Amino acid sequence: GQNIDQPTEMTATEGAIVQINCTYQTSGFNGLFWYQQHAGEAPTFLSYNVLDGLEEKGRFSSFLSRSKGYSYLLLKELQMKDSASYLCAVSPGNTDKLIFGTGTRLQVFP
Amino acid sequence: KAGVTQTPRYLIKTRGQQVTLSCSPISGHRSVSWYQQTPGQGLQFLFEYFSETQRNKGNFPGRFSGRQFSNSRSEMNVSTLELGDSALYLCASSPEGRKQETQYFGPGTRLLVL
Repeated sequence: GQNIDQPTEMTATEGAIVQINCTYQTSGFNGLFWYQQHAGEAPTFLSYNVLDGLEEKGRFSSFLSRSKGYSYLLLKELQMKDSASYLCAVSPGNTDKLIFGTGTRLQVFP
Repeated sequence: KAGVTQTPRYLIKTRGQQVTLSCSPISGHRSVSWYQQTPGQGLQFLFEYFSETQRNKGNFPGRFSGRQFSNSRSEMNVSTLELGDSALYLCASSPEGRKQETQYFGPGTRLLVL
C-alpha cells in the first residue's frame, strides 16, 4: 500500500531551527511536495524535491533521500507566523494523484 | 492572476440531503483535483478532472461524484449525506495535472452535516 508518516505535532521557540520529518512508502516515486497550511486557510506550496539532496529557499529547506524513502523540511529563524500545519505529499509512480500525509502541526512560542 | 475560488465557503446540511460544491481554477489551468480534509485522516484525494474527463479517482463511495465544464470549472456532488461527510473540501488546479506540477489550492468549502 501507499503510506506517508510525519509527526502529528511539534513545538519550537521563535528564532530557533526545527526539522519536520516525513517517511513514505509508495509504488514508485515522481517527487515529494511540502505544503504549508495555516488554520482555516488553503495549503500553499513550499517546495518540491525529485532528486536526492537539499533544496534551499530562503528560511526553508527541503531534503530528500529516495533510497531511504525520507524527506525533511527545515525551518530556520522561526517566526510566530510559521505556526501552521506542514503537509508532506508524494507523487507515486503509478498515478498522477498526490498522496498526502496527515500533516505536522507546528506551534512557535515566543 | 486570480487564484482558485470555491463556493460556497460554508455549508450546513442534514443527513440524507445532497450538496453541490463549485470550483473555478486559475485561468489557463486545465486540471482540477478535489480533496477531502478531516482532522483524523488529513487530505484524501477524491478525483481529478482534465478536459472535462475524470482522469483519476480516489477510494470514495459512488455518492461522491464530479464533473468539469468546458471552461475548466468543476463541480463536486455528494448525495445522501452522512455525518461522516462533514469535512473541508478543497479543490486544487494545475496547468496540465502532470506529476511534477505544483497544485494550487482554493480556500475550501467547509461542510457540516447534522
